[in-house]
Amino acid sequence: DTAVSQTPKYLVTQMGNDKSIKCEQNLGHDTMYWYKQDSKKFLKIMFSYNNKELIINETVPNRFSPKSPDKAHLNLHINSLELGDSAVYFCASSHARPGLSEQFFGPGTRLTVL
Amino acid sequence: GQQLNQSPQSMFIQEGEDVSMNCTSSSIFNTWLWYKQDPGEGPVLLIALYKAGELTSNGRLTAQFGITRKDSFLNISASIPSDVGIYFCAGQRSYNTDKLIFGTGTRLQVFP
Repeated sequence: DTAVSQTPKYLVTQMGNDKSIKCEQNLGHDTMYWYKQDSKKFLKIMFSYNNKELIINETVPNRFSPKSPDKAHLNLHINSLELGDSAVYFCASSHARPGLSEQFFGPGTRLTVL
Repeated sequence: GQQLNQSPQSMFIQEGEDVSMNCTSSSIFNTWLWYKQDPGEGPVLLIALYKAGELTSNGRLTAQFGITRKDSFLNISASIPSDVGIYFCAGQRSYNTDKLIFGTGTRLQVFP
């Protein structure tokens, strides 16, 4: 019954490594998002995809590359990890229809870069 | 990036008390959402508001979309220990796939 799922839940890695986080939603939504939550709990949008097309790309280093193989999946690949990338990353999804655009969040992936 | 101003930053209340928090912006929003986040979990949607002046309830929670469209309010009546968590407001400028801009959060602690 999981609506928005993410793997892994925890990710601990060394600086300079490349890692990926996967997200899947079974809500039939056509839009998916990646958010970053820092240590002060500030939540900020990173990317948004609608029907596999990138529609929002905030000022994020190009070491971060999202990939959407289909409407139900949005993965996040991070190259050359830095200490400052440590945060909790949330995937979310929504419909793209007026009045139905509530975003539903996954459980988060806590990334720790050593 | 822009953030919405949420107040208070934290609240420490006794079980059974009512709680009020608000969220303000310098910009107009067409959608206001309220989320609750428990430790180690993702934000969970509580209430969605789509029209200025709209008042919507979800159990003991009531939220209002401010008439100016620059603010929103959340009230929790008769708080219980499981209300503990961080409450976030979020605004959306357009009705569809626009990004959510989140508030700074209100951390609620309820003492029995």
